[in-house]
Amino acid sequence: QVHLQESGPGLVKPSGTLSLTCAASGASIGSDSWWSWVRQPPGKGLEWIGEVYPGGSPNYNPSLKSRVAISVDESKKQLSLEVNSVTVADTAVYYCARGAEYSWHYWGQGTLVTVSS
Amino acid sequence: EIVLTQSPGTLSLSPGERATLSCKASQSVNSRDLAWYQQKPGQAPRLLIYGASRRATGIPDRFSGSGSGTDLTLTISRLEPEDFAVYYCQLYGSSPPMYTFGQGTKLEIK
Repeated sequence: QVHLQESGPGLVKPSGTLSLTCAASGASIGSDSWWSWVRQPPGKGLEWIGEVYPGGSPNYNPSLKSRVAISVDESKKQLSLEVNSVTVADTAVYYCARGAEYSWHYWGQGTLVTVSS
Repeated sequence: EIVLTQSPGTLSLSPGERATLSCKASQSVNSRDLAWYQQKPGQAPRLLIYGASRRATGIPDRFSGSGSGTDLTLTISRLEPEDFAVYYCQLYGSSPPMYTFGQGTKLEIK
């Protein structure tokens, strides 16, 4: 059974950088899967942020591409997300998810990140 | 970019009834690229259907996906109390690689 766990600061100041990691158990982040980040503002719908395949180039949502970086550290078995120049609009629950067959079969529980001064 | 429009926004039904949720795409899609998720308050989304009609592991057979082209449907044949939640459709697009979601349908107890 794959278990994903997001972690990182729950509060980020406007114009700062949001940094999250996702640890996997039950599956290696170095395995043959795409790994994604998805976010959900409070009370709103889901938004795909981007994905990465270990050893490959990431793909990003065009609306966020200029501010986002996703990477995988296979030695640490961690997936990472950075969003820079954050605003209140980046306040959301952030999920990591494991991709397969153009969907996500495994999700982390999510972590709430609030952007506020 | 293909836009997904889900209807209705809210569906009020009773346990035991049949639920039909619609996901309409702004242009024809490859059924392989369409998935459905269930989300309950405070929880992560849960994959129900992928490839438009394939049930994910552990999903009861009362959930089924169908449709093609621009009209995709999630059907819950007989509602159980635990089925009341928000449902999202999701599409993968390859040029450029991109995932989009519908705005969601809230299934509430009548």
